[in-house]
Amino acid sequence: SAVISQKPSRDICQRGTSLTIQCQVDSQVTMMFWYRQQPGQSLTLIATANQGSEATYESGFVIDKFPISRPNLTFSTLTVSNMSPEDSSIYLCSVFVGGASTEAFFGQGTRLTVV
Amino acid sequence: QKEVEQNSGPLSVPEGAIASLNCTYSDRVSQSFFWYRQYSGKSPELIMSIYSNGDKEDGRFTAQLNKASQYVSLLIRDSQPSDSATYLCAVRGSGTYKYIFGTGTRLKVLA
Repeated sequence: SAVISQKPSRDICQRGTSLTIQCQVDSQVTMMFWYRQQPGQSLTLIATANQGSEATYESGFVIDKFPISRPNLTFSTLTVSNMSPEDSSIYLCSVFVGGASTEAFFGQGTRLTVV
Repeated sequence: QKEVEQNSGPLSVPEGAIASLNCTYSDRVSQSFFWYRQYSGKSPELIMSIYSNGDKEDGRFTAQLNKASQYVSLLIRDSQPSDSATYLCAVRGSGTYKYIFGTGTRLKVLA
């Protein structure tokens, strides 16, 4: 596995503001993913963060709302923009570790509450 | 719409019993199957992965895959109260890196 660190672990934000979540991995990884887990729900993939190119967004998620950066093979950020209470969720980054492995490992998550 | 279905539970089993968690998936060409454990307020933790039909054992955990029936299960032997958590089934389709997660089954192991 790998050590995947997310910051912040939690935050309470005012509606209309933005929050940037950081994900740092202790080894170089090719594939990095951002998920959302709404209260009582399962995980939904927001986007795949590709190093050196634009992120690939899933249906229902757009770059203007969830801009993603991936400046290198160990780091990514997800910004939740112009937040509303409906954005209150846990946001998780996930990586595949080790060569051809497609086993996904998760950071500890960011619990976001929008008030 | 590709789907992964799980019974939400809670599934209650006495300590020491076998807990059986089930998952069905709709995409027939799915290639890889995963079980994650998620404690309340924590992130998912990978327990098992399985890629071929049959059983795969790791300690107290056994994953079972039947691609013809589009069914994957997780057995937990000698269940402990510390096994109480939500268990998420995830499926990765052919030719994609994307996971589709089920909604999870909440397991309660009663001491």
